[in-house]
Amino acid sequence: AQSVSQHNHHVILSEAASLELGCNYSYGGTVNLFWYVQYPGQHLQLLLKYFSGDPLVKGIKGFEAEFIKSKFSFNLRKPSVQWSDTAEYFCAFRSNDYKLSFGAGTTVTVRA
Amino acid sequence: DAMVIQNPRYQVTQFGKPVTLSCSQTLNHNVMYWYQQKSSQAPKLLFHYYDKDFNNEADTPDNFQSRRPNTSFCFLDIRSPGLGDAAMYLCATSLRDGAYEQYFGPGTRLTVT
Repeated sequence: AQSVSQHNHHVILSEAASLELGCNYSYGGTVNLFWYVQYPGQHLQLLLKYFSGDPLVKGIKGFEAEFIKSKFSFNLRKPSVQWSDTAEYFCAFRSNDYKLSFGAGTTVTVRA
Repeated sequence: DAMVIQNPRYQVTQFGKPVTLSCSQTLNHNVMYWYQQKSSQAPKLLFHYYDKDFNNEADTPDNFQSRRPNTSFCFLDIRSPGLGDAAMYLCATSLRDGAYEQYFGPGTRLTVT
C-alpha cells in the first residue's frame, strides 16, 4: 500500500535555528511530492512541490526540499526559522492518479 | 480573496441527525475534493468530483454522500452522524487532477453530540 511517513510528530526550536523535517514514502513508481503548511487558524497551502528535474526544489518563505530517490525521501529544510514558521507541516505524494496521500503531519513550534 | 470557501466553519449536530457541509470555489476548477481530518492525523480523502463525475474512495462509509450541482458548489452530506464522524472536513479544488496543485478551504469542524 502507498503511504507517507513523517518522522517527527512535534518539533520545538528557537528562532534562527535550522529546521529539517523528514518524509519518506513507500511506492516503487514515479511520484509527485509536495509539502503543505497549515498556519494556526488558516487553511492548508502549498509550500513546494517536486515533479521532475532538479531534486532540490525551492518553495515559498525560504523553504527547500530535496528528493532522494534511492532513499524514498523528500525532506523539508529551512536554514533559519522565524517565529512565524510555527505551523503544522504535511508531506504528501501523488502516484499515478488524482489522489494525494498525506503524512500525519509535524507540528513545528518556534520559540522567540 | 477567498478562493475556496467552506460554510459553516463550525457545525454542531446531534447523533443521527443529518448534516450538510458546503463548499464553494471561485477558481473555476474542474476537480473538487472532500477530505476528513481527525485530530493529529493526516487528511483522508473521502471522494472527489471531476466535473460531474463522482469518484468514491473504496473505504468511505456509505453514510457519507456528496453532491455537486454546478462547477462552483459541492456539498458533503452525512446521513446519520456518529460520534466517530466528529472531525475537520476539508474541501479542496484543483484545475485538473493529479499533477495540479490542490487549493484548500479553511475547513468545517464538525462536532457530534
